[in-house]
Amino acid sequence: SAVISQKPSRDICQRGTSLTIQCQVDSQVTMMFWYRQQPGQSLTLIATANQGSEATYESGFVIDKFPISRPNLTFSTLTVSNMSPEDSSIYLCSATSSGRAYEQYFGPGTRLTVT
Amino acid sequence: AQSVAQPEDQVNVAEGNPLTVKCTYSVSGNPYLFWYVQYPNRGLQFLLKYITGDNLVKGSYGFEAEFNKSQTSFHLKKPSALVSDSALYFCAVRDWETSYDKVIFGPGTSLSVIP
Repeated sequence: SAVISQKPSRDICQRGTSLTIQCQVDSQVTMMFWYRQQPGQSLTLIATANQGSEATYESGFVIDKFPISRPNLTFSTLTVSNMSPEDSSIYLCSATSSGRAYEQYFGPGTRLTVT
Repeated sequence: AQSVAQPEDQVNVAEGNPLTVKCTYSVSGNPYLFWYVQYPNRGLQFLLKYITGDNLVKGSYGFEAEFNKSQTSFHLKKPSALVSDSALYFCAVRDWETSYDKVIFGPGTSLSVIP
């Protein structure tokens, strides 16, 4: 299974600023995903990041607010732009690899608080 | 529409007793089904999956799940619960309405194993 790390693990940010979250995988993966989760609740998919192409965003999420990069097969970033308190959440990165269809491996998450 | 339901928000079980966490699904294609576990303050971990084959699937940490096509269910089970099994459990299903490895997560069930 892939091991995924995220940076930062947590941050407290001011309203109106932006934060970039990094996701690093220890092996080459096919798809990478970014989710948002409120503590104790289910996951909401923000977007899917495919290497070499633009991310695919879910309904309710737009590129201007959540720009994503996927420069290679082991790394992705999610930026939360122009933050408001409503963006306070846990952001999770996950990935799937070829040969293990649909099994997603998750990073530990980034806990974001916007004040 | 495709969906995953976990009818119980909370399941309490005594240590040593068998546990069951319920999941039902509705999909437009073949049911590819998954269970994930989230321990407190940690990311999700893959437990097991059903793609095809034997209806009883064995996974990590002694967990197993039974696929029942007629009842559209995929209940998670363990013969003897441990206190360390206390966590948040998510059932998920492959989303056939997209062309990539997207899954739909259920709302989650909080399992408490009482010593």
